[in-house]
Amino acid sequence: GEDVEQSLFLSVREGDSSVINCTYTDSSSTYLYWYKQEPGAGLQLLTYIFSNMDMKQDQRLTVLLNKKDKHLSLRIADTQTGDSAIYFCAESNYSGAGSYQLTFGKGTKLSVIP
Amino acid sequence: EPEVTQTPSHQVTQMGQEVILRCVPISNHLYFYWYRQILGQKVEFLVSFYNNEISEKSEIFDDQFSVERPDGSNFTLKIRSTKLEDSAMYFCASSDPAGDTDTQYFGPGTRLTVL
Repeated sequence: GEDVEQSLFLSVREGDSSVINCTYTDSSSTYLYWYKQEPGAGLQLLTYIFSNMDMKQDQRLTVLLNKKDKHLSLRIADTQTGDSAIYFCAESNYSGAGSYQLTFGKGTKLSVIP
Repeated sequence: EPEVTQTPSHQVTQMGQEVILRCVPISNHLYFYWYRQILGQKVEFLVSFYNNEISEKSEIFDDQFSVERPDGSNFTLKIRSTKLEDSAMYFCASSDPAGDTDTQYFGPGTRLTVL
């Protein structure tokens, strides 16, 4: 079945770049997503990439997709203390009748050191 | 910006009791979802709902669970007889089939604690 793997922790200094990595198994995934979860809060959509793209940039966020290796990464430039959160990678799988099911990784907890 | 809302934010119940978790999806969205996240574990898909019926459900979504869209705005998840292992954060999500992606927008979650 589908599986998404991420490293659990990442610690960076404020101002540095953060790179969060993810691997997935379902090569038929149409879209891949990054969600952010702050303590006690819900899942905030950060960005997504279509499976036929290699890269997507959105302000401080850069998503890289290596479809051959089924590897996805999220780079956060100039990381700020407000970026401290858990970051979830998710792949979408068509589940019928027009609906899609997201399969999430366990999340990477990003800690930003001032 | 429109958002998904959920109530209550925290629900505490006794084992064996019924609970109803409520969600108001984004108004022009037509696909609705429930996910759950047991503490320290992955966010897991429970069920998707479209056109007043279930599109897909996971193995977790057994006979104890049901979903309903009782009116034009609410989407509910009912757990008929709660178990200790139902304690989790429950997230509602919705998506717009007319959009260029199947992007799902999530609510803030309801933390369910079963004692």
